[in-house]
Amino acid sequence: DAGVIQSPRHEVTEMGQEVTLRCKPISGHDYLFWYRQTMMRGLELLIYFNNNVPIDDSGMPEDRFSAKMPNASFSTLKIQPSEPRDSAVYFCASSPRQGGNYGYTFGSGTRLTVV
Amino acid sequence: QKEVEQDPGPLSVPEGAIVSLNCTYSNSAFQYFMWYRQYSRKGPELLMYTYSSGNKEDGRFTAQVDKSSKYISLFIRDSQPSDSATYLCATHTSNTGKLIFGQGTTLQVKP
Repeated sequence: DAGVIQSPRHEVTEMGQEVTLRCKPISGHDYLFWYRQTMMRGLELLIYFNNNVPIDDSGMPEDRFSAKMPNASFSTLKIQPSEPRDSAVYFCASSPRQGGNYGYTFGSGTRLTVV
Repeated sequence: QKEVEQDPGPLSVPEGAIVSLNCTYSNSAFQYFMWYRQYSRKGPELLMYTYSSGNKEDGRFTAQVDKSSKYISLFIRDSQPSDSATYLCATHTSNTGKLIFGQGTTLQVKP
């Protein structure tokens, strides 16, 4: 099992550009989570999906952020237009069930820098 | 006030020391408690899981939850340089899988 796969690993973009982050969850995992990590705010949940359906997007900062999960093996997080304050490490995680005892498997993250 | 508070450290200890990492939380509805370990430039990985109050031991690691005081602890015995990482506490309620994380404590174990 290759684990949760995120791409790209690093992204540097100019302010105002569109950024798309990608995630492939572990096969058979029904839950997918997008987190953002910064030094100031730590790990924050942005949105999560159950069986490809968004369940809670209350953590999405503003309308510039959008997430989709067109099928069970792929999800995207899009930022348009990007701003310097969006610079962070974005993690995708998946889980077979709801509940911490199953453990959330995290990807290695995408380090986004907006200049 | 954040729902889960954790001292970010950094914490530096000599090899072999006993390490105590702590978190407090504000929502009494939280029932599931976890500790994740995150190495530099990697994603967090689940280290320990406990349900409600009590202790759980796994090798050199012991997780402790005191719901009466809303306090979560992780103890590391005989700490090793390989334990150097950021440790994050996390919790959620029974009716949601929405994990809320603490800020994370950076630990360095010096040989």
